Amino acid sequence: QVQLVQSGAEVRKPGASVKISCKTSGYTASGHYIHWVRQAPGQGLEWMGWINPDSGGRNYVQKFQGRITITRDTSINTLYLELSRLNSDDTAVYFCARDAIVTGTLGDYYFDYWGQGTLVTVSS
Amino acid sequence: SYDLTQPPSVSVSPRQTARITCSGTSLAKKNVYWYQQKPGQAPVLVIYKVTERPSGIPERFSGSRSGTNVTLTVSGVQAEDEAEYYCQSADSSGTYVLFGGGTKLTVL
Repeated sequence: QVQLVQSGAEVRKPGASVKISCKTSGYTASGHYIHWVRQAPGQGLEWMGWINPDSGGRNYVQKFQGRITITRDTSINTLYLELSRLNSDDTAVYFCARDAIVTGTLGDYYFDYWGQGTLVTVSS
Repeated sequence: SYDLTQPPSVSVSPRQTARITCSGTSLAKKNVYWYQQKPGQAPVLVIYKVTERPSGIPERFSGSRSGTNVTLTVSGVQAEDEAEYYCQSADSSGTYVLFGGGTKLTVL
């Protein structure tokens, strides 16, 4: 079965960086984009960007440009989100989510499987 | 701020019908997706492409569109349907994902 398993909770000080992982299994990893979505405490969902696990191509929300890096390690079917220059507004649960559309097929971005979420706390 | 507008809350009694709306200037032509999120859990896709229901989602969940308004309908609401519901679409270029602000469905 399809699974996305994320790394554990992290605590960082303001100005630091964090890198969280999302290990996929149960499907052909190259076949679906992986997106990152975050949710601040008590708030809604905020899309951050995607990566094409096959080509490594990626797209980020303008808001995070310069601070965000999404990468992949195809040998272990794992995707990574790194966010730098953290501040208190970055305190959130970060989710990876699989795009429902097979790579190369025309269609919208939407999400059929999600990781369990990783809490990142930024505090001095 | 969000480009997709949802009511903050909807309340219904058990076995009644709940309707949650999502409005946006581009929604007349774009696909819309709905997710259910319970506290402490990841979102779950309940409706895709405005009206389609993924396998495993109960038939009481349905979707519809009228102009720039899209509606998630939960017929015969059950206590287990109490959750936050988010609509999702894309910006005008189709490049970026947009989420609505979320609607808390309370079962009285």
